[in-house]
Amino acid sequence: AQSVTQPDIHITVSEGASLELRCNYSYGATPYLFWYVQSPGQGLQLLLKYFSGDTLVQGIKGFEAEFKRSQSSFNLRKPSVHWSDAAEYFCAVGAIQGAQKLVFGQGTRLTINP
Amino acid sequence: KAGVTQTPRYLIKTRGQQVTLSCSPISGHRSVSWYQQTPGQGLQFLFEYFSETQRNKGNFPGRFSGRQFSNSRSEMNVSTLELGDSALYLCASSLDAGRGADTQYFGPGTRLTVL
Repeated sequence: AQSVTQPDIHITVSEGASLELRCNYSYGATPYLFWYVQSPGQGLQLLLKYFSGDTLVQGIKGFEAEFKRSQSSFNLRKPSVHWSDAAEYFCAVGAIQGAQKLVFGQGTRLTINP
Repeated sequence: KAGVTQTPRYLIKTRGQQVTLSCSPISGHRSVSWYQQTPGQGLQFLFEYFSETQRNKGNFPGRFSGRQFSNSRSEMNVSTLELGDSALYLCASSLDAGRGADTQYFGPGTRLTVL
C-alpha cells in the first residue's frame, strides 16, 4: 500500500532563509509525486509534481523538489522564504494506474519569523 | 478557465441529519475525487467518480455516498451525521487521459460542522 511520511509537523524559519521540507514515500513502483500548499481555511494549491524524467522539478512560487529513488524521498526546497509562504504543506503520492486517488502525508506547518 | 467550485462553503447540521455537498469540476475534467480533512486524521480519500461510475472507494462507512452526473458534476451525501463527521470536505477534479495518476485540482472545500 502507498504511504507518505512527512517527519516534521511544524517548522519555523526566518524570512529570507532557505527551506527544506521532507517527504518520504512508500510505493511498489515509480510513483507520481505531488506537493500541495494550503492556506488557512482554503483548498489545496498544487506547487509541483513529478511524473517521470528529470528528477529535479520546478514549481510555482520559487519552489523546487528533488526525487531520489534510492532514498524514497521527494523533498521540497526554496532558497529564500517570504512571509507569504507561511501555510501548511502536503506531500502526496498517486498510483500509476487506476483511479485518481492521492495518499497524503500528515502535512508540515510552516511558520515564518519576520 | 474556472476552477473547481464547491457549494455550500459552510454547513452546520445536527447529529442524525443528512447532508449533500456539491462539486463542479473544471470544464473538460472527467474525474472527481472527494477527500475528508480533519485535524486528527489529516487528508483521507473518500471516493472517486469517473464517467458517472464510482471507480475507487476509501475506508469510510456506507453512510458516505456519492454520485456523478453526465456533466461530470458530483455530489456526496452523508447520512445519519455523527459529531466525528465534522471536517473540511474537499473535492478535486482531474482530466484523466487514461495515463494513470493525473494532476488533481482542488476546490476551496465545504466546512461541515455537526452539533
